[in-house]
Amino acid sequence: AQSVSQHNHHVILSEAASLELGCNYSYGGTVNLFWYVQYPGQHLQLLLKYFSGDPLVKGIKGFEAEFIKSKFSFNLRKPSVQWSDTAEYFCAVNAESNAGNNRKLIWGLGTSLGVNP
Amino acid sequence: EADIYQTPRYLVIGTGKKITLECSQTMGHDKMYWYQQDPGMELHLIHYSYGVNSTEKGDLSSESTVSRIRTEHFPLTLESARPSHTSQYLCASSHGELFFGEGSRLTVL
Repeated sequence: AQSVSQHNHHVILSEAASLELGCNYSYGGTVNLFWYVQYPGQHLQLLLKYFSGDPLVKGIKGFEAEFIKSKFSFNLRKPSVQWSDTAEYFCAVNAESNAGNNRKLIWGLGTSLGVNP
Repeated sequence: EADIYQTPRYLVIGTGKKITLECSQTMGHDKMYWYQQDPGMELHLIHYSYGVNSTEKGDLSSESTVSRIRTEHFPLTLESARPSHTSQYLCASSHGELFFGEGSRLTVL
């Protein structure tokens, strides 16, 4: 069965520190990959996505993620975090055959990021 | 900015009550979803709809029911709420990516 693993459940950083949140998935075929973010009191929103092409994907607010097919990974990175990045981050994976069909989207447990000013 | 709205945002009710969580979107999306979200757990799909008069149950069994009489409206109903239904319920619609509402946090006493 497909699954998504987010290694860190809680991360606390100081402002200006670099961030890397791990995401690994188990599925042997072609995948579409997503990172969603939920800021305190707000709705979940898309941070970035990978469907094909350049495995280094740029998202909003200076975030990026790199798809490494051989490692089944899609880690989220930001060189210098800000207090406003405090949020819950969710990785999600969809088999390419399900593209456009979010019915089959598999979610990670989420990582809670706290950034101290 | 996504245009998907959920009401109520917070609801505290007693056991046995009937509740309806409202969800509306103004983007004209055919696909809509209800997820259940608990702390430290992944999002679980409980209902989805591909269009008017189309509803299916998701992977997580739920005693709730949904209806889709209009494209923009996808309400979720619990006929008799129980403490085990205490959770956050997220509504979403999609056209490629998912657009989420702010959630309805339900507490059943």
